[in-house]
Amino acid sequence: GAVVSQHPSWVICKSGTSVKIECRSLDFQATTMFWYRQFPKQSLMLMATSNEGSKATYEQGVEKDKFLINHASLTLSTLTVTSAHPEDSSFYICSAPWGLKETQYFGPGTRLLVL
Amino acid sequence: SQQGEEDPQALSIQEGENATMNCSYKTSINNLQWYRQNSGRGLVHLILIRSNEREKHSGRLRVTLDTSKKSSSLLITASRAADTASYFCATLGRLEYGNKLVFGAGTILRVKS
Repeated sequence: GAVVSQHPSWVICKSGTSVKIECRSLDFQATTMFWYRQFPKQSLMLMATSNEGSKATYEQGVEKDKFLINHASLTLSTLTVTSAHPEDSSFYICSAPWGLKETQYFGPGTRLLVL
Repeated sequence: SQQGEEDPQALSIQEGENATMNCSYKTSINNLQWYRQNSGRGLVHLILIRSNEREKHSGRLRVTLDTSKKSSSLLITASRAADTASYFCATLGRLEYGNKLVFGAGTILRVKS
């Protein structure tokens, strides 16, 4: 089946630095990818929809200048957390729809810890 | 937002027993899906039921959908220790919502061997 990868799987950084997370569709093309954030013992909250060749669409309450999304190719979307703070520490997961676009393949997630 | 709710929040059962999880949602949907998440991992798609379907089976999984009550249930029969995970329902709205999935709060299932 289709596979979505994420890199890195975990990252620890100092407050104020920027962190880039990559999401790749390994054996299929994805014109759309989704970025989610998940806090411990909570559900996934959609942050933004990444669109290949155009601007991302952000959900209400998500700062677009803080969470920069670039979907430069049909197999790669990146999420950059700029000037990260401890409250940005979370589990970030990407996904890409497949087939009839009714379901999604999820990446394994990236755990971010900001000190 | 059509964020769904799930109950129970946590469920602990013995191996071999059945596990039932419920999900409610708020708005019209195209379909409802169930996903599984092992601790600290990504999500795996389990089963999809369309808005015009009432019941669906896949192996040990049985899903029901009641659109009049805006609710769904997931039944796992003859549970195994390996079924221990978090289970989320997710709804796919109409096309104008852009194929976005909205996830329920999730149920943490623990199967004791």
